[in-house]
Amino acid sequence: KAGVTQTPRYLIKTRGQQVTLSCSPISGHRSVSWYQQTPGQGLQFLFEYFSETQRNKGNFPGRFSGRQFSNSRSEMNVSTLELGDSALYLCASSLERGAAADTQYFGPGTRLTVL
Amino acid sequence: AQSVTQLDSHVSVSEGTPVLLRCNYSSSYSPSLFWYVQHPNKGLQLLLKYTSAATLVKGINGFEAEFKKSETSFHLTKPSAHMSDAAEYFCVVSVNDMRFGAGTRLTVKP
Repeated sequence: KAGVTQTPRYLIKTRGQQVTLSCSPISGHRSVSWYQQTPGQGLQFLFEYFSETQRNKGNFPGRFSGRQFSNSRSEMNVSTLELGDSALYLCASSLERGAAADTQYFGPGTRLTVL
Repeated sequence: AQSVTQLDSHVSVSEGTPVLLRCNYSSSYSPSLFWYVQHPNKGLQLLLKYTSAATLVKGINGFEAEFKKSETSFHLTKPSAHMSDAAEYFCVVSVNDMRFGAGTRLTVKP
């Protein structure tokens, strides 16, 4: 089985722009979660989607949003980019919803640099 | 509320010696606990997972962890370090969502 894929792998944007990141989960997995990883804050949970519905959300401003499609693929969007949004964005998929009940499998991440 | 503390930000061992990476957790409910490893420029890979079955959990690549409820700990061990074990290790506690520790960077000296 193919693993979790994320596109693009690297992105450079300028302040004020918006960006969309894509994640394709492992085939058959219905839950997709997004995380932000920075040297200062470590790994932080952004949100989880299951069956096209956001089920859980971390403590991030409304500039961060996401969605999930009927084929379980997910996108996250960051509007009005700030320098502090520079990070590695990781996507993880699991079979069913709820991180507690199921193992999450991570993609390689998208490295976003905001100039 | 749930949280996790990795007690060492950096651990350095010699190849062939034991590895101990320490993790304490806090949770109001019975949590699931995980250890993940991240090699440079790679995503996270699951090493092992505890979900209230056996307290000693065996993972991949010779790693294991013991769940100790009385000590609220979930330390990761390996009897003999290999150069390829050099990476960042994350302890994770999960009730409704996953809370990651700050990470422990493992260095393995030849």
